[in-house]
Amino acid sequence: LAKTTQPISMDSYEGQEVNITCSHNNIATNDYITWYQQFPSQGPRFIIQGYKTKVTNEVASLFIPADRKSSTLSLPRVSLSDTAVYYCLVGDANTNAGKSTFGDGTTLTVKP
Amino acid sequence: GAVVSQHPSWVICKSGTSVKIECRSLDFQATTMFWYRQFPKQSLMLMATSNEGSKATYEQGVEKDKFLINHASLTLSTLTVTSAHPEDSSFYICSAPSGRLHTEAFFGQGTRLTVV
Repeated sequence: LAKTTQPISMDSYEGQEVNITCSHNNIATNDYITWYQQFPSQGPRFIIQGYKTKVTNEVASLFIPADRKSSTLSLPRVSLSDTAVYYCLVGDANTNAGKSTFGDGTTLTVKP
Repeated sequence: GAVVSQHPSWVICKSGTSVKIECRSLDFQATTMFWYRQFPKQSLMLMATSNEGSKATYEQGVEKDKFLINHASLTLSTLTVTSAHPEDSSFYICSAPSGRLHTEAFFGQGTRLTVV
């Protein structure tokens, strides 16, 4: 499983766009990039997944450059409730999702 | 979306006793489930892979005799912490893949175990 590197923490204010970048230099051809959100004392929750270019859903966008060695999770107009730990995971699409190696994650603190 | 439910949400037990944690997939079948442990301010650590109808696969350093895993049906996996000690106090989380390729895993809400 490819190792990922993220900033330990980030601060933002309500209404701002937040971009969290994850480095995964050893990503393999079959690997997908998945981001999870975790609130204290809760299990992680799926946010978004992608393979290349850009993916957008109702809560976030995921930007992946052509070399796929990094990815950026973009949260538009964050609110206080977006304060959480965000994990970037890289894994083989042909193996069961869920057997994941979690890195340290990024603790996002949204301030009023 | 798919739902994975854990029970109990929290449990306090005395040192030396055993505790069973259940993980259920409520609206889908899961031949494989995963168990994680998370200490305060730390990331999730994969403990073992639970396989329906066969033995669990444990990660290096995880004692299989201490953390008993049973995956008796396609919707239920259990983790039993045997002879619990205070150092086993942690947040235990299970997950299950939805069954489709390259897609997300669904995590339970976690179980907070406190051993006193």
